[in-house]
Amino acid sequence: QKEVEQDPGPLSVPEGAIVSLNCTYSNSAFQYFMWYRQYSRKGPELLMYTYSSGNKEDGRFTAQVDKSSKYISLFIRDSQPSDSATYLCAMSGAQGGSEKLVFGKGTKLTVNP
Amino acid sequence: ETGVTQSPTHLIKTRGQQVTLRCSSQSGHNTVSWYQQALGQGPQFIFQYYREEENGRGNFPPRFSGLQFPNYSSELNVNALELDDSALYLCASSLGGDTDTQYFGPGTRLTVL
Repeated sequence: QKEVEQDPGPLSVPEGAIVSLNCTYSNSAFQYFMWYRQYSRKGPELLMYTYSSGNKEDGRFTAQVDKSSKYISLFIRDSQPSDSATYLCAMSGAQGGSEKLVFGKGTKLTVNP
Repeated sequence: ETGVTQSPTHLIKTRGQQVTLRCSSQSGHNTVSWYQQALGQGPQFIFQYYREEENGRGNFPPRFSGLQFPNYSSELNVNALELDDSALYLCASSLGGDTDTQYFGPGTRLTVL
């Protein structure tokens, strides 16, 4: 079993739709949870960074962490064509940025005008 | 504030050759991590450097080696290149504390023929 599982999609939605992206994980030691956005042939760009369980909102983006279920989500409201990218979930242990990040495979999202 | 930069952008090598990739960390960041991202996969942790010392290593053979310099820039060296080494190589920097995460550069795309 991989430490982090993420449905690779692809996911195609119309402009304005609410998008839900998810990851599950098996390692209980994970404490920090991140979502990165990666455009084609570019480096990952940090979108959301949360610690432990709970919700975090930033504009059109909401990240949720449920440690009891080992499940994290990213919601995108009012999706735009510019949101078309691959979304990567990532996790690390108690040392946060001082530890390795463990990534999912990424979900490729296309938002159609 | 200057972000993470990497060079070169793209290079092509033949099997058995050696390659050196370079990374300049974000201003003020003392920790550099390297990741390998194969096509269609999430990034895989290679190793991390903190204040010029290796601070963790992933499941990569010894022909993958690195350095960090006093200005916190870093190099990734790969010897005896194999076809499977073809990938996007990502450098990420962080402050090194447990409340900070990692910020990625644009990557170097390596093709091994």
